[in-house]
Amino acid sequence: DIQMTQSPSSLSAFVGDRVTITCQASQDISNFLHWYQQKPGKAPKLLIYNANNLQTGAPSRFSGRGSGTDFTFTISGLQPEDIATYYCQQYDYPPWTFGQGTRVEIK
Amino acid sequence: EVQLVDSGGGLVQPGRSLRLSCTGSGFTFGDYPMSWFRQAPGKGLEWVGFIRTKTYRGTTEYAASVKGRFSISRDDSKSIAYLQMNSLKTDDTGFYYCSRADTTTLPFDYWGQGTLVTVSS
Repeated sequence: DIQMTQSPSSLSAFVGDRVTITCQASQDISNFLHWYQQKPGKAPKLLIYNANNLQTGAPSRFSGRGSGTDFTFTISGLQPEDIATYYCQQYDYPPWTFGQGTRVEIK
Repeated sequence: EVQLVDSGGGLVQPGRSLRLSCTGSGFTFGDYPMSWFRQAPGKGLEWVGFIRTKTYRGTTEYAASVKGRFSISRDDSKSIAYLQMNSLKTDDTGFYYCSRADTTTLPFDYWGQGTLVTVSS
């Protein structure tokens, strides 16, 4: 199984700050990586697909980069409504696995 | 508008069974593989399994944690995917979500709202 190591597990930043989350795959997954936002009591919402493509309707302050084993997710200008937990997920081959999640809070 | 609605959750005793449903609308259900995920309270996301389309004989794949206990089926005439859960354990407690799973285009773009399964005596 492909292991996804996501960090940090939580972070706190000011409104307007640039926030970066990293995700490392245990083997090459090309660009078969998603980033999701999940708010309490809600289903995950796809923000970034194929590692660096912004999903339709997602704000442009969200972005993703990387390929192979190393990926990053960035919020350029943190907003109060971005308070949530963010997950990376590989879908190279089942079992499709997730990172442990990053809880983002406002200082 | 694409929509997935999860239903069928509830309180069940350990060792018993439960069947969840995922009803799709706004797209041609039979054209899409469908997947189930789950999330234990306060924990991360876990893939449970998926079912291919009838083109690929509706074959299925499962996570090791549920293989032999859970099974996925589909009724394309009703646009429903089912998750049959047998021999339930307390560790199976959590929210269960379905999602479209077409890895040739854009998988997991839409998710159901989730349904809560509580396994407890």
